[in-house]
Amino acid sequence: AQTVTQSQPEMSVQEAETVTLSCTYDTSESNYYLFWYKQPPSRQMILVIRQEAYKQQNATENRFSVNFQKAAKSFSLKISDSQLGDTAMYFCAFLTNFGNEKLTFGTGTRLTIIP
Amino acid sequence: EAQVTQNPRYLITVTGKKLTVTCSQNMNHEYMSWYRQDPGLGLRQIYYSMNVEVTDKGDVPEGYKVSRKEKRNFPLILESPSPNQTSLYFCASSLLVSGVYNEQFFGPGTRLTVL
Repeated sequence: AQTVTQSQPEMSVQEAETVTLSCTYDTSESNYYLFWYKQPPSRQMILVIRQEAYKQQNATENRFSVNFQKAAKSFSLKISDSQLGDTAMYFCAFLTNFGNEKLTFGTGTRLTIIP
Repeated sequence: EAQVTQNPRYLITVTGKKLTVTCSQNMNHEYMSWYRQDPGLGLRQIYYSMNVEVTDKGDVPEGYKVSRKEKRNFPLILESPSPNQTSLYFCASSLLVSGVYNEQFFGPGTRLTVL
């Protein structure tokens, strides 16, 4: 069974600073996808970034980038130049594309950006 | 606009009173799924469906039923709700193309309180 662990329940950072959220996972699969989802106070689930396991290059989306360490089964999210609108719950998630397209989520990290 | 809709968005009910949370998508997606979100547990899959009349249990199916009579709709049924089903519920849908990434689209969530 796949598991996703987020060891930081809460984090806070000053506006404009850089913050890194940690995520580790466990799987025996070789093909899989990893994701970071953002959940602002509106509760909407917003896909921030995704990483295909077969790609060595780390994914980036504007101010968001990941550090994907496949051997270590680590998938951290870096937010650069943090903004007040980044305040949200962030979930790391995992998916294998076989049969059930189930997303396995971590427990989340509540990130607060301080003005 | 391509979207997943859920109704109601908020519901307060009492133990034992049957209820249905509806989910509808307008993207002709084969795959639909229900998750529940609880503090400290992240999102967990309740049930999923890979096409019309094809449903299966996720990780936490006890106390829930689903049906998939039409491709666009995937209602979640609580026959006899109990307080431990108080949670935030999300419906999600995606295409089901084998071997490629199929992005899951989430509904806005339904906040259910069972007294």
